[in-house]
Amino acid sequence: QVQLVQSGSELKNPGASVKISCKASGYSFTTLSLHWVRQAPGQGLEYMGWIHTNTGDPTFAPGFTGRFVFSLDTSVSTTYLQISSLTAEDTAIYYCARMYYSDTTGYMIDHWGQGTLVTVSS
Amino acid sequence: QSALTQPASVSGSPGQSITISCSGTSSDIGGYKYISWYQQHPGKVPKLMIYSVNSRPSGVSNRFSGSKSGNTASLTISGLQAEDEADYYCCSYTTISTWVFGGGTKVTVL
Repeated sequence: QVQLVQSGSELKNPGASVKISCKASGYSFTTLSLHWVRQAPGQGLEYMGWIHTNTGDPTFAPGFTGRFVFSLDTSVSTTYLQISSLTAEDTAIYYCARMYYSDTTGYMIDHWGQGTLVTVSS
Repeated sequence: QSALTQPASVSGSPGQSITISCSGTSSDIGGYKYISWYQQHPGKVPKLMIYSVNSRPSGVSNRFSGSKSGNTASLTISGLQAEDEADYYCCSYTTISTWVFGGGTKVTVL
């Protein structure tokens, strides 16, 4: 079955960087794009962007340029989210998600990782 | 790309129907049929409830239905049940090849 398994919680100091992993299994990794969604404590879902798993090309949503990097390692079916210059406002759960697409169904996020809590605090 | 606009909360009694609106622009909801809805219970991962405006994934109750008119999408839950109490988010594809979520609606079953 399809699974997205993310790396564990992180506690970082302000100004540091963090790299979160999301390992996919149960399907052909390069056939569907992977997306990142942020959820700050007590807040809603915020779309961050996505990575084309065939080419590695990233697309960032407004507000998520500059400090954010999406990358891939297709050899281990894993995508990564790296955030630099962390501040307290980056404290959130970060989800990776698979965007399923077919000509008959269109686009939908059909599988989510379990989420990775990043806490930024001194 | 601003977040789509949803009411902060909607409530209803068991058995009633409620509708959650999701307002956007011609650059997102109005321009595409790729509108989806997600349910999130506290501490849980979001779950897909509706895709492509009005289609239900297998396993989702037919009490959930979706629609779209112009720049506004809607999710209707009929025969409201206690287990429907959760946060609901709409999501749309956009003209800049990204997606955008709504701010979320807390559904309370009275």
